This record gives sequence, structure tokens and C-alpha cells, in this order.
Amino acid sequence: RKEVEQDPGPFNVPEGATVAFNCTYSNSASQSFFWYRQDCRKEPKLLMSVYSSGNEDGRFTAQLNRASQYISLLIRDSKLSDSATYLCVVNPATHSGYALNFGKGTSLLVTP
Amino acid sequence: DAMVIQNPRYQVTQFGKPVTLSCSQTLNHNVMYWYQQKSSQAPKLLFHYYDKDFNNEADTPDNFQSRRPNTSFCFLDIRSPGLGDAAMYLCATSLPGQGRDIQYFGAGTRLSVL
Repeated sequence: RKEVEQDPGPFNVPEGATVAFNCTYSNSASQSFFWYRQDCRKEPKLLMSVYSSGNEDGRFTAQLNRASQYISLLIRDSKLSDSATYLCVVNPATHSGYALNFGKGTSLLVTP
Repeated sequence: DAMVIQNPRYQVTQFGKPVTLSCSQTLNHNVMYWYQQKSSQAPKLLFHYYDKDFNNEADTPDNFQSRRPNTSFCFLDIRSPGLGDAAMYLCATSLPGQGRDIQYFGAGTRLSVL
């Protein structure tokens, strides 16, 4: 079983739609979780971090379910500029300076 | 302003010709990482430095080496690039105890091997 699994998509949605991505992780001791956004041929950029049950930032909501070991990302009122790959990232350790586990990413295309 | 800076953005090298990629940071972070990312794949950690302590991933080929002469700079040396080493190389930094291990990425260096 892979450490972090995501549905690769692509998710094709119209502008204004709500879309949700799920991510599952295998290490139950994982402490912190992140969603990064990566545009084509660019570096990953932090979108949201999740340490407790969830986090919300404008149109973006992340939720963590430790019992089921999954994290979700909800995007409301999708914009064309939301088109990107969304990487689910998990810190498997309790200390810093440790390798993060990356999912392969979920591709989102928002169409006019 | 860019906080993690990678140079060059694009690098073309010949098969077997050594190449060095550089990364600098203005964040004063203790930890610096080098990742390799190929098309449609997740970033793959090659190694990282925790201050001066070097931590190599078990499956990183010996062809890849790294140097960190000071806090701000970190280099990735590819001793004999092969065609399979063509990829985006990403540098990242983090600060232990702050932001709980958020990693900040540079813009990457895209390496082509001819």
C-alpha cells in the first residue's frame, strides 16, 4: 500500500462548481498534513496545512479524519485559475526535518 | 520576493558531463531538501540536510551528491548524468519547531540531458 494515495483525476468542472478531492494515508501516527498546489512545470506551493480536524481559507476547506486516515480538500465556487495539480502531503513523524510523503497529485481543470 | 532561489532555472548537459545545481535561501531555515520530480509524478526526496547533518535516502543513487557549505546555500552535484536523470529538481527548506514542518520550495531547475 502506498503511503499517500490520491485519485489522479483529471477532474473537469465548470466555473462556479464545487469540487472535492480525497487523500488517504497509511501511517496512523502521522501528525501534520498539507495540501500543496502545483501549476504545470512550476514548484509546489502551500495551499493549506491541517493539524487538527480541519482548516478553512476562503473558498478552500480541508478536513482531516484520523479514524479513517483521510484528508479532503473542498473547493467552492471554482475559478479558472484554480486549474492545477493538488498534492496531498503527509508528515509521518513527530519531529521536524523529516521526509514528507507526497501523493502523486490530483489534476483539476476548471472550464468556462 | 523569492525566499528559496534556485539557479539556473533551466540546465542542459551532455550525457556523462557533471553538472551542479544551486539553491540559496533567505529564510535562515535549518533544513534544506533536494527533490527530483519527473513528469506526472510526486516529488521524490533525494536527501536533506539538518544543519550540517546530511541525510541520504536509501534509494538515492551514488551519482547524486550534495554539499551545504553554510546555512544559506546547498548544491546538488550529478556526477555522471544519464538520460534518466532528466527531471525537475526542487530545493525546499523548513524550520523545525515553526509551522510544523511546512516546506517552502524554490522554483526548480529543469535539467535536460542530451
